[in-house]
Amino acid sequence: EIVLTQSPATLSLSPGETATLSCRASQSVTYLAWYQQKPGQAPRLVIDGASKRATGIPARFRGSGSGTDFTLTITSLEPEDFAVYYCQQRTNGLFTFGPGTSVDIK
Amino acid sequence: EVQLVQSGGGLVQPGGSLRLSCVDSSIAFSSYAMSWVRQAPGKGLEWIAYINSGGTTEYYADSVKGRFSISRDNAKNSLYLELNSLRAEDTAVYFCARVVVRWFDPWGQGTLVTVSS
Repeated sequence: EIVLTQSPATLSLSPGETATLSCRASQSVTYLAWYQQKPGQAPRLVIDGASKRATGIPARFRGSGSGTDFTLTITSLEPEDFAVYYCQQRTNGLFTFGPGTSVDIK
Repeated sequence: EVQLVQSGGGLVQPGGSLRLSCVDSSIAFSSYAMSWVRQAPGKGLEWIAYINSGGTTEYYADSVKGRFSISRDNAKNSLYLELNSLRAEDTAVYFCARVVVRWFDPWGQGTLVTVSS
């Protein structure tokens, strides 16, 4: 099973700042997705295929990386961007999520 | 806009059973694989089950294998999860989600399953 590790666990930032979230896989993965989850809500797809923004996701969200190291960058944080972000991969029919990074308001 | 509407869930005793449902409002349900993902209180996301578009292939996480069963009825645009031999550690919010290539989009609203005596 491929294990995803996310860092940092918590990121405390102010609106307008840039958030850089990391996701590392225990083995090389082909595709990686990122999700945003707010309290009491279902997760929402943000990035698929490692770098493609999902429908309705603003351009300040950028995904990058390949192999085992991936990054989600959120520039000029807006108040609605403060949430928990999870990375996710699928290999050989099985799916795994990272433990999440909480982007908190400083 | 695609909507996945979930039902089922509730309080069940350890060792008990429950059935969750998820109805897709779109006409494309039969074209997509589906999955269930759960989230224990205050914890992260855990994928638990997958079924392909035709209902002929299933995958499960080790944590639920042999106890949970995923199924679908394409004529009713519906996805199901049968939960058996429930344990306290199965307490979680359960989400259904459409599988698009290798990721999940969209998600259902979630339904809480509480296993307690």
